[in-house]
Amino acid sequence: EAGVAQSPRYKIIEKRQSVAFWCNPISGHATLYWYQQILGQGPKLLIQFQNNGVVDDSQLPKDRFSAERLKGVDSTLKIQPAKLEDSAVYLCASSWGLANDEQFFGPGTRLTVL
Amino acid sequence: GNSVTQMEGPVTLSEEAFLTINCTYTATGYPSLFWYVQYPGEGLQLLLKATKADDKGSNKGFEATYRKETTSFHLEKGSVQVSDSAVYFCALSDQGDYKLSFGAGTTVTVRA
Repeated sequence: EAGVAQSPRYKIIEKRQSVAFWCNPISGHATLYWYQQILGQGPKLLIQFQNNGVVDDSQLPKDRFSAERLKGVDSTLKIQPAKLEDSAVYLCASSWGLANDEQFFGPGTRLTVL
Repeated sequence: GNSVTQMEGPVTLSEEAFLTINCTYTATGYPSLFWYVQYPGEGLQLLLKATKADDKGSNKGFEATYRKETTSFHLEKGSVQVSDSAVYFCALSDQGDYKLSFGAGTTVTVRA
């Protein structure tokens, strides 16, 4: 079974530039999560989708971050414009459903904002 | 709100030593508790979990018991190997929203 795929694996940009990350979850998984992991901290949930609907985006900085999962499969997370404090690893995870199902994580995208 | 506090690292051990990583939590409801592990160069993966009080999760020689009275979920392994070198994260998922709240992670290095 293929795991959660993410691209790119690494990205370096300058502040005020835009960047987008892509995630393809495990086939059949209805729930998709984006996390931000700042160096030395645990992952923090940014947004959670159930199929193509948003379940929770309470911790997403909506003035600069956006995410979509238009067809209920793969997803894109965008930052526009980026700030220095956005430097982090962005993790995508997926699970079968919502009810405490195990979340499977992708390898992450390491973003450096200069 | 929900939060997880885990023992600060880094932790360095010799092979075959006993490992304990402390984890305590605060939750508004009745959470499920997890330990995730991140091996060098790999993604986060679930190590073990427990969904109710006094449950013991176990996997790969690791164990953790859900202690409601002390709001704790400490991770233990009796004899570590070099291959156990990784970052370990304690996490909780509360009833109703199911989103994971993670601790800061504990880096464990096992020397041969």
